[in-house]
Amino acid sequence: KAGVTQTPRYLIKTRGQQVTLSCSPISGHRSVSWYQQTPGQGLQFLFEYFSETQRNKGNFPGRFSGRQFSNSRSEMNVSTLELGDSALYLCASRRTGGAGRHGELFFGEGSRLTVL
Amino acid sequence: TQLLEQSPQFLSIQEGENLTVYCNSSSVFSSLQWYRQEPGEGPVLLVTVVTGGEVKKLKRLTFQFGDARKDSSLHITAAQPGDTGLYLCAGASRYSSASKIIFGSGTRLSIRP
Repeated sequence: KAGVTQTPRYLIKTRGQQVTLSCSPISGHRSVSWYQQTPGQGLQFLFEYFSETQRNKGNFPGRFSGRQFSNSRSEMNVSTLELGDSALYLCASRRTGGAGRHGELFFGEGSRLTVL
Repeated sequence: TQLLEQSPQFLSIQEGENLTVYCNSSSVFSSLQWYRQEPGEGPVLLVTVVTGGEVKKLKRLTFQFGDARKDSSLHITAAQPGDTGLYLCAGASRYSSASKIIFGSGTRLSIRP
């Protein structure tokens, strides 16, 4: 069973640009969530999508957005990039219903964004 | 606000030594997960504990959930360089959304050959 796939793995952008990251969840997983990980702040929740609908959003500015497609693949977009957006962006999928009752997350390898 | 505190934050030990990492909270969780993250990779789920007092073993790793389901520990016996990484605990309530999963700040473990 293929794991969670994130693309691209690494990217470098300059301030003011925008970026789109992609995530393909494990087959059969309909919930996809995104996290930002930095050395200082740890793992911070960005948003969660289920059946193409955003269920929850973390405490991030409106420059951070996302969407989910009918095949459960998800994208997140960051516009007007700032230096502080440099981070590892992680996508996680999970089972829902009874099988997902314990909250186990299956993470991708992440997209390392560097903003210059 | 629910918080999960992990200790120690950093740990560097010699190969072959034993170690314990702690994850503590004042809140009760329905389940608690432990993840290991290697440099440049995403966290990988190691174990889930759901019952107070539960002990699970994964080769040289022993995980315990506190009786009150507020804390957990990870004990590694005879540490090896392959155990190096960031260990994260995460607490969840039953059927909670991803936004309600609480992550600890992590323990960065380095095993010296």
